[in-house]
Amino acid sequence: DAGVIQSPRHEVTEMGQEVTLRCKPISGHNSLFWYRQTMMRGLELLIYFNNNVPIDDSGMPEDRFSAKMPNASFSTLKIQPSEPRDSAVYFCASQRGWETQYFGPGTRLLVL
Amino acid sequence: GNSVTQMEGPVTLSEEAFLTINCTYTATGYPSLFWYVQYPGEGLQLLLKATKADDKGSNKGFEATYRKETTSFHLEKGSVQVSDSAVYFCALREETSGSRLTFGEGTQLTVNP
Repeated sequence: DAGVIQSPRHEVTEMGQEVTLRCKPISGHNSLFWYRQTMMRGLELLIYFNNNVPIDDSGMPEDRFSAKMPNASFSTLKIQPSEPRDSAVYFCASQRGWETQYFGPGTRLLVL
Repeated sequence: GNSVTQMEGPVTLSEEAFLTINCTYTATGYPSLFWYVQYPGEGLQLLLKATKADDKGSNKGFEATYRKETTSFHLEKGSVQVSDSAVYFCALREETSGSRLTFGEGTQLTVNP
């Protein structure tokens, strides 16, 4: 099994640019989670989907952030416009039912 | 609401020392409890779990026992290795919160040779 796949693994962009992070969950998993990790704030849940439907987006920082899951095998997290304080590692994770949650390797984002 | 509190880090030990990382939780019901480990540059991965009171989770020499009376799930290992250097996260999941996990703040462990 390929595990959770995230792309890109590293992204460097300038303030004001649009950033799109991508995630492919493990096949057969019906829940998908987006997290952000920083030294200052630790690991934060941004949003999660169940059967492609957003269930809880209370962790999304502000309107600049949006997430979609158009089908069971793909999700995006978009930041527009990006700001330096968005610099972080963004993780996607997936899960089937009440089983183990599996994390991807993360996307390391730097906004200059 | 649910919450998880871990002992403050960082923790630095010598190889073969005994490790304890404390974790306590607050939950409205009967959660499942987890320890995840994050090695440098990687995502989190499940280390062990326990789903009911008095269960003991174990893996790779690590153990944790679900203590309902003290609402704790402390992580222990009898003899740490340099390769155990990582960040350790305690987490809980409760049915009333859906399938999401509630994580503690993480504890950085460094093991020196």
